Parts: sequence; structure tokens; C-alpha cells
Amino acid sequence: DVKVTQSSRYLVKRTGEKVFLECVQDMDHENMFWYRQDPGLGLRLIYFSYDVKMKEKGDIPEGYSVSREKKERFSLILESASTNQTSMYLCASSRTATEAFFGQGTRLTVV
Amino acid sequence: AQKITQTQPGMFVQEKEAVTLDCTYDTSDQSYGLFWYKQPSSGEMIFLIYQGSYDEQNATEGRYSLNFQKARKSANLVISASQLGDSAMYFCAMRVFNAGGTSYGKLTFGQGTILTVHP
Repeated sequence: DVKVTQSSRYLVKRTGEKVFLECVQDMDHENMFWYRQDPGLGLRLIYFSYDVKMKEKGDIPEGYSVSREKKERFSLILESASTNQTSMYLCASSRTATEAFFGQGTRLTVV
Repeated sequence: AQKITQTQPGMFVQEKEAVTLDCTYDTSDQSYGLFWYKQPSSGEMIFLIYQGSYDEQNATEGRYSLNFQKARKSANLVISASQLGDSAMYFCAMRVFNAGGTSYGKLTFGQGTILTVHP
């Protein structure tokens, strides 16, 4: 089975902190994605990557950056966390057009 | 740009009955795929079913079927014989396959529908 693992289920961070959310997949997928989920808004794409060191902005990239130094790992970085970044963050990966596998999600609270 | 609309914030169904969750989509592209995911309270996204825009038959996976009406741009999920474990949030999503190959598999999601199954 494909496994997408996010490093934390729950995180509490202070305003202004630099926050790293890590995602690792074990199936050699080229494409990896970071979404945030908010009530009533569904999932919105923050950033995605289609190869090592390649990244593209999604629909809501402001306040975030990403890093993909190895194929299996895709990191989301909150440069200076703010309370409006309190949300559920979901990582996903895929290789073919008909699939997308998600991690278990990270519930981030910024206080 | 693509858009997915799920107009039912919440749905209730009696155990063992069937339920339909609505999904409409908007795209000018001809080649695309439609997905349904289930998200229990634990948070993980569970893939349920996939329908390609050129698939002639409606997709089915066990108790799940996708009622695909291309002209109406709808892709409703039908769950037959509901079970208590079906209580969850359900998301409809779409992926566009453009000729330039630049979609890279991005999924566009709807707002979600919370399904509650009553005993």
C-alpha cells in the first residue's frame, strides 16, 4: 500500500514562529501537494511539486514556502506563523492521473 | 479555471437506506477526471471512486457508484445500504488533463458534505 506520512498530527505554535510541516511518501511518486482545509471552503491547494527541486504555486501560496530536496519528501514552511494559518494541512502524492494519496493531516493551531 | 460545487452542507440517512450526495463541476476542458473522497473524524482522506470524462460507463466500487451526467456537468455519489461507519465528510474533486500536460495532477475540491447515518 502507498503510504503518505505527515510528521505531526497536532501542532501548536506561537505567532511569528517559523513552522515546518513534513511529508514523506514511499512510492516514488513524482507529484506531491500541500492543501489546507477550512470549514466551508473544502481543500485549497497551497503549493505542489512535480519533481525534485521543482515547485509551483497553488491557489493560496501567500505566507508559505516549500522545499523538495529529495523525491520522497515535501516540506511546507510557514515563514512567520500567523493566527489565520490555523488550519488542517493535508499532504498528497500521485504518479498517475487517476490517483491521489493523502497523509493523515496535521492540525496546526497558531496562538 | 475549474470549480466544484457541493450544495448540501449536511445530509442525514437511515441505516440501510441509499443516499445521494450531489456534485456539480465547471470546466471548459474536455479531458478530466472526477474523484470522491471520504474523510472520517480522524482526518485522513480515503479515496472512494474515480470517473474519467471519456468513460462510457458509470463507475462503481462496492456500495459506491458515481452517477455521471456529462451534459449536466454533475457527478453525484450514490451510497447504497448505508452503514453507521459511513458517517463522515465527503468531498468531490476534479482533475483536468490538458494537452500541455501542465496540470501535474492538481485536484480542485468542493466544500464537502457531512453525512450522518442514523441507526
